[in-house]
Amino acid sequence: DVKVTQSSRYLVKRTGEKVFLECVQDMDHENMFWYRQDPGLGLRLIYFSYDVKMKEKGDIPEGYSVSREKKERFSLILESASTNQTSMYLCASSTSGPNTGELFFGEGSRLTVL
Amino acid sequence: AQSVTQLDSQVPVFEEAPVELRCNYSSSVSVYLFWYVQYPNQGLQLLLKYLSGSTLVKGINGFEAEFNKSQTSFHLRKPSVHISDTAEYFCAVRAFYNTDKLIFGTGTRLQVFP
Repeated sequence: DVKVTQSSRYLVKRTGEKVFLECVQDMDHENMFWYRQDPGLGLRLIYFSYDVKMKEKGDIPEGYSVSREKKERFSLILESASTNQTSMYLCASSTSGPNTGELFFGEGSRLTVL
Repeated sequence: AQSVTQLDSQVPVFEEAPVELRCNYSSSVSVYLFWYVQYPNQGLQLLLKYLSGSTLVKGINGFEAEFNKSQTSFHLRKPSVHISDTAEYFCAVRAFYNTDKLIFGTGTRLQVFP
């Protein structure tokens, strides 16, 4: 069974703390994504990666960075967490090529910043 | 660029009634279209997708959607809903040439009452 695993389902952090959200996929997918989900706003793309050590900004990259040192792992980093980063974070992966595009999602990491 | 509009943020319906969740998209190029479902406290999973071919697409759990290019719509339908269909539903679009980003709508919460 294909799987995208996010390391933490629930996190509570304080303002200014550095936060790491980890995501691992076991499908040998080239592409990996980090989305943020907020009520009424749907899913918004933060960053994505086509390959190891490659990254591209999505629609809302401010305040975030990412790391992809291995093909199966994609990390989202909040250098200095702020209360407006309280949200649900969803990691996803997909394979490349035409006639594709299906994303496989993890179960999400709900982050609360106090 | 592509965009997706889900016209209804919430759709209440009684069990065994039919339901339609509306999705309209905007794009200057050909697109691939997707519907995802998110059950409470879970990630998103694919319901169905349109890549090419027949404009009527059947998915899991008895759902289907019809691609209408002239009306730029991809509405999701089910002839008879169950309590277990209560969830949030997201429509998404991807340009056919672009292997990276899926653009998501803001979601429709389907609430099925007994």
